[in-house]
Amino acid sequence: EAGVAQSPRYKIIEKRQSVAFWCNPISGHATLYWYQQILGQGPKLLIQFQNNGVVDDSQLPKDRFSAERLKGVDSTLKIQPAKLEDSAVYLCASSLAAVQFFGQGTRLTVV
Amino acid sequence: GQQVMQIPQYQHVQEGEDFTTYCNSSTTLSNIQWYKQRPGGHPVFLIQLVKSGEVKKQKRLTFQFGEAKKNSSLHITATQTTDVGTYFCAETYNNNDMRFGAGTRLTVKP
Repeated sequence: EAGVAQSPRYKIIEKRQSVAFWCNPISGHATLYWYQQILGQGPKLLIQFQNNGVVDDSQLPKDRFSAERLKGVDSTLKIQPAKLEDSAVYLCASSLAAVQFFGQGTRLTVV
Repeated sequence: GQQVMQIPQYQHVQEGEDFTTYCNSSTTLSNIQWYKQRPGGHPVFLIQLVKSGEVKKQKRLTFQFGEAKKNSSLHITATQTTDVGTYFCAETYNNNDMRFGAGTRLTVKP
């Protein structure tokens, strides 16, 4: 079966610009997660969706980050405006039960 | 902040040597999962431990969950260059949210 698809793989933007990431989870997986992984650290959960509803966004910096999963399938994560400290890999994962399957991630560099 | 602490942060071994990484929590864990992330790759699920004192094996990998469910370990016997990567433990809480440890980065010298 196809895995979790993410695009783009890489993105370089200047600070204060906007950026959006896209994720298509594994077919049939109701739960979708966005993580931020800063170099040398473990993934940090940003937001969890169950179908098209938000389950947990307590660690999402809502002043600049937003995410949606309007039809309960694919999802977008947006940063507006970006800061230097947003440079990281943004990972999307989906799950049917407790095990999460990760996409390849989008490596964001803010200069 | 992160509740699961992993040690060591880095481990460099000669091929054929054993390797162990430890995951510790100040609170009782409902379960623990282990993931491996190759350099430049994404985390890949290895195993989930649920029961107190549970031990699971996958070929050269042995996973243990402590009796008090506050710690876990991953042991690799006779490391190979293909074992290179960062090993993360992760605890599940709330609605299947996961909190990852900082990971142990393993390098293997051939």
